[in-house]
Amino acid sequence: DAGVIQSPRHEVTEMGQEVTLRCKPISGHDYLFWYRQTMMRGLELLIYFNNNVPIDDSGMPEDRFSAKMPNASFSTLKIQPSEPRDSAVYFCASSFRAGDNQPQHFGDGTRLSIL
Amino acid sequence: AQKVTQAQTEISVVEKEDVTLDCVYETRDTTYYLFWYKQPPSGELVFLIRRNSFDEQNEISGRYSWNFQKSTSSFNFTITASQVVDSAVYFCALSEATYNTDKLIFGTGTRLQVFP
Repeated sequence: DAGVIQSPRHEVTEMGQEVTLRCKPISGHDYLFWYRQTMMRGLELLIYFNNNVPIDDSGMPEDRFSAKMPNASFSTLKIQPSEPRDSAVYFCASSFRAGDNQPQHFGDGTRLSIL
Repeated sequence: AQKVTQAQTEISVVEKEDVTLDCVYETRDTTYYLFWYKQPPSGELVFLIRRNSFDEQNEISGRYSWNFQKSTSSFNFTITASQVVDSAVYFCALSEATYNTDKLIFGTGTRLQVFP
C-alpha cells in the first residue's frame, strides 16, 4: 500500500519567494497533519485537518503560512513570502479515526532551504 | 500539562549490546496513548508501537521490547543485541483521549549510535 506521499523532497529557493509543499495522505485516512522539524524546536505540529476541514491551526507560526485541503487526497502548505528562518524539514502525516488516537503515518518529508 | 521527556540526548553503544531508551510522560488525562517512532538517517519517521493507558502489559517484537509503567509514568524502549541498522533518532510521543485529542506531543528524541 502506498504511504503518505510528499513533494518535493527538497526545495531550495530565495527569500521572498512563494513555496508550496504538497501532500497526498494514505487512502481512507480522514486526518491529515502538517509538522515542521528543526534542530532548535524539534517536531512542531502546525495544523491538522479532519475530513478536509482545518481543526486546529494554532501551530502555524505566522500569516505567511497557509494550508488547504481541497479534497480527501490532497493538501498543500504554502509559505508566502518565505524567509530563511522557515528552513526546516516539513512532514505531512495522516491517520484513520484519530479520535481513537490511531498512529499517525508520516511522509518522507520536504527539506526546505530558504537562502 | 502534557509533556514527554526523553532525558537521554544521545547514546552510543557497540553492536550486540542491549540499550534502553527512557521516556517519561506527564498527563492529566486518565485515558491516553503512547507511541514510539524511529527516524533513521534517511529522515523519514517510522511508527513502531502504540499503547493505551489501560494496557500495561509489556510488549516484545523481535529485538524490540517496551516497558510501560503507569506508577512511574514511563514507557521505556529496549533494543536487545543492537545492530548498526538501529542507529537512528527515536521519539516517544503522547496523545490524550480527552484533552487536546488528536494531537501527538513528541519528546525531543534520543539519538542512538550503534558502532560495529
